[in-house]
Amino acid sequence: DIQMTQSPSSLSASVGDRVIITCRASQSISRDLNWYQQKPGKAPKVLIYAASTLQSGVPSRFSGSGSGTDFTLTISSLQPEDFATYYCQQSYSSPRTFGQGTKVEIK
Amino acid sequence: QVQLQQWGAGLLKPSETLSLTCTVYGGSFSGYYWSWIRQPPGKGLEWIGEINHSGSTSYNPSLKSRVTITLDTSKNQFSLKLSSVTAADTAVYYCARRSVVVTAPGKYNYYMDVWGKGTTVTVSS
Repeated sequence: DIQMTQSPSSLSASVGDRVIITCRASQSISRDLNWYQQKPGKAPKVLIYAASTLQSGVPSRFSGSGSGTDFTLTISSLQPEDFATYYCQQSYSSPRTFGQGTKVEIK
Repeated sequence: QVQLQQWGAGLLKPSETLSLTCTVYGGSFSGYYWSWIRQPPGKGLEWIGEINHSGSTSYNPSLKSRVTITLDTSKNQFSLKLSSVTAADTAVYYCARRSVVVTAPGKYNYYMDVWGKGTTVTVSS
């Protein structure tokens, strides 16, 4: 199985801050990397697929980059509704594994 | 707009079989893969497996011996069965649609773009 490791596991930030979350794969996954946002008690929601393509309806303050083994999710200016847990997920091979999550909390 | 509505038993005893069903409303059933994902309390997401409209399946090897995913195209439904459950199977179970995008000639990216609301399953004696 491909292991996905996110960092940090949690972070505290203020509204307006730029936030960067990283995701590392245990082997090259090309650009087969997706990012999801999950709020408490809700199902995950896809933000970015194929490493950098913004899902329809997702605000442009979210962006993704990377290829191979190293990827980043950037929130350019954190908004109150962005406080949530973020997961990366590889779709390069089965089983389709997720990172452990990064919880973004209010400072 | 595609919606997934899921249901099933929420409380099981050890050794019983978990059974959940997800119905697809408002969109095409064919042409997609349909997935199950779970999330233990306070933990991350685990992919369980998936099935396409033709019945082709793929399972997480960690659960493969206990998992069966089936579909009923006449009802736009797909189902999950997990046998011999233990407390470790306590989780919120989600159904989801897997979409595909072509990223290069012969290369595809798969992502889950529509999710059910989740069903909490508790295994306790």
